[in-house]
Amino acid sequence: QKEVEQDPGPLSVPEGAIVSLNCTYSNSAFQYFMWYRQYSRKGPELLMYTYSSGNKEDGRFTAQVDKSSKYISLFIRDSQPSDSATYLCAMSVSGGNQFYFGTGTSLTVIP
Amino acid sequence: GAVVSQHPSRVICKSGTSVKIECRSLDFQATTMFWYRQFPKQSLMLMATSNEGSKATYEQGVEKDKFLINHASLTLSTLTVTSAHPEDSSFYICSATSRRLEADTQYFGPGTRLTVL
Repeated sequence: QKEVEQDPGPLSVPEGAIVSLNCTYSNSAFQYFMWYRQYSRKGPELLMYTYSSGNKEDGRFTAQVDKSSKYISLFIRDSQPSDSATYLCAMSVSGGNQFYFGTGTSLTVIP
Repeated sequence: GAVVSQHPSRVICKSGTSVKIECRSLDFQATTMFWYRQFPKQSLMLMATSNEGSKATYEQGVEKDKFLINHASLTLSTLTVTSAHPEDSSFYICSATSRRLEADTQYFGPGTRLTVL
């Protein structure tokens, strides 16, 4: 079983839709949870990070962590064509050097 | 803050030559730097982890003699692909972490596209 599971998609939504991206994990020791956005032929860009459980909101983006279910989500409200990218989840154990990435979900927002 | 740069952004070389890629943390001191490669439409594949002043730790299946990593300072790590072959053509991305930053997270460089003819 992989440490982190992420549906690769592809996911295609109309402009303005709410997008839900998800990852599940198996290691209960994970404390830091991150979402990255990667445009084609570019390096991943950190979007959101959260520590432990709870929600975090930044503009149109909301990250949720449910440690009891070992499940994290990224919600994008009012999606825009410029949100079209691959979204990677990542997580780590506090203070460690090991990070575990999902395989990424490819998102296309259609104008 | 937390900007990581890579140089060059793109390189084309002949088979058998060596190529050096630089990764710099511009506004923070990187405790650890990571090197990844990524094939088209695939996820990141961790190649090695390096800490300043010590030898890199390579992932299983990554040849340490072929992919030389030097982490000479807290702001610079280099990856040298020695005797490059066409199968080494890929997108190479570095990232860096710092315990001084707000969270244990990785900040990625923009990537280097290597094409070996």
